[in-house]
Amino acid sequence: KNQVEQSPQSLIILEGKNCTLQCNYTVSPFSNLRWYKQDTGRGPVSLTIMTFSENTKSNGRYTATLDADTKQSSLHITASQLSDSASYICVVSAYSGYALNFGKGTSLLVTP
Amino acid sequence: SQTIHQWPATLVQPVGSPLSLECTVEGTSNPNLYWYRQAAGRGLQLLFYSVGIGQISSEVPQNLSASRPQDRQFILSSKKLLLSDSGFYLCAWSPGTNTDTQYFGPGTRLTVL
Repeated sequence: KNQVEQSPQSLIILEGKNCTLQCNYTVSPFSNLRWYKQDTGRGPVSLTIMTFSENTKSNGRYTATLDADTKQSSLHITASQLSDSASYICVVSAYSGYALNFGKGTSLLVTP
Repeated sequence: SQTIHQWPATLVQPVGSPLSLECTVEGTSNPNLYWYRQAAGRGLQLLFYSVGIGQISSEVPQNLSASRPQDRQFILSSKKLLLSDSGFYLCAWSPGTNTDTQYFGPGTRLTVL
C-alpha cells in the first residue's frame, strides 16, 4: 500500500483561479515533506520542503501547509497561470533509509 | 552550480534488445545517485541507488542493472528489454550527507515495442 496518497488525481481550473491539492501520508518516523512540480516529459523540480516543526512554507504563488499530527499536507496555488499546468507530487521521507515515498501526483490543467 | 544530464532523451527499442541509459552529474563530488522509473499513472519507483563508485543497491527485483564506473556517472542497463520496461526513467542525485534533497535529471522516455 502506498504510504503517500494524493487527491484529487486530476484537476482542471480556469486561469486566475486558486486551487488546493491534498496529500495524506503514513510514513513514519517522519523526516520531511516536499512538494515537487513535474512538467510533462521533464524531471520533477522541488517547490517546498517542510520539516516536522513547520506548518507552512511559501514559494511565490505556491503555499504548502503541514499538519504533522493528522499527517496531512496541502499545496495551495494562488492566481493560477497557464504555466502551472503540470503534475504536482508529494514526497515524504523517513529518518531511515535512502528511499523517498512518492505520491502518484495530481495532474493540474489550467485553461484560458 | 550543479547540473545533471541524462541521455538519450527518448528511445524506442524492440523487445529483447539491450539497453544503456547514462546519467552524469557536474559541479559536485561524491554524490548519492538514484535511478527511478515512472510508469504512466503511477508514482516514481526507486530502482537503484549508489553511495559511491562501484556501490549499487537494488530496490526491486527486475531485469535491469546499474553501474557506477566513475564518481559522477551512473548507468542503467539491461541485456534483454521487456515490454514492461517501457516508462520514463529519471536519474537523481543528492549531496552525500543529505539524502532527502534529491535533484532530478530531465529523464529518458523509453518505449519498448
